[in-house]
Amino acid sequence: NAGVTQTPKFQVLKTGQSMTLQCAQDMNHEYMSWYRQDPGMGLRLIHYSVGAGITDQGEVPNGYNVSRSTTEDFPLRLLSAAPSQTSVYFCASSYRPPSGSRYEQYFGPGTRLTVT
Amino acid sequence: GNSVTQMEGPVTLSEEAFLTINCTYTATGYPSLFWYVQYPGEGLQLLLKATKADDKGSNKGFEATYRKETTSFHLEKGSVQVSDSAVYFCALGGNFGNEKLTFGTGTRLTIIP
Repeated sequence: NAGVTQTPKFQVLKTGQSMTLQCAQDMNHEYMSWYRQDPGMGLRLIHYSVGAGITDQGEVPNGYNVSRSTTEDFPLRLLSAAPSQTSVYFCASSYRPPSGSRYEQYFGPGTRLTVT
Repeated sequence: GNSVTQMEGPVTLSEEAFLTINCTYTATGYPSLFWYVQYPGEGLQLLLKATKADDKGSNKGFEATYRKETTSFHLEKGSVQVSDSAVYFCALGGNFGNEKLTFGTGTRLTIIP
C-alpha cells in the first residue's frame, strides 16, 4: 500500500490564482480530512468527508472547497489564493479498526504552499 | 468546544535524559487521546493512543496515561535518543463516529549527543 499520497509537495502561487491540492489513499478508508499546519498553531481542520459524496466543514473552511466523488480521492481547491493561505497542508484518512476501538488517522507527507 | 493545551517548546535534552511533555485537554464526554510525531520533512505518524480513562498507550519506549481526573495525557520516555528529535503533537479525538482531531500546538524536541 502507498498509504496517503499528496501532490504537489511544493507550490508557489500568486494572489488570486487558483489550484487544487490532490490527496489519494489506497486503504479503502471511509473518512478523509484536510488540515493546515501553521507555526505555533498546531494543525487545524479545514474540511472532512465521512464517505463518497459527503463533505462537511471543519474549523477553518473559508477560502477552500472540497468534493468526494470516490472513496480514494479527496481534492482541496483554492479558488482565489490569498497570502493568509500560505501554510503546510496535510491530508489524512481513517478507518475503524476491526476491534471496534476508536479511529486512528493516517497522514500524508504534506504540501507546502506559498502565496505571494 | 474541545481544546488541547500542550507544553511549549522548544525542548532540548541530552541523550539518555528523561523526557516529559505535558498535555492537558478540555472536552465533553469520553474522547480518545493521541500523540503524533513529525520527523523533519515528513508527515505526522501516530506514536501512541488511549481510548478510555486509565488506559496507557506505549510505543518505541514512549508512554502516556489517560488521566480523566486531571484531564491530562503527558508523554514520557525514560531515556531519549538523538533519533527522537522531532515535533510531538498531542491530539484529542471525537466521542463517536467521525474522528475530527483537535491538535495542540506541538513541541519541538532536540536531543543532543
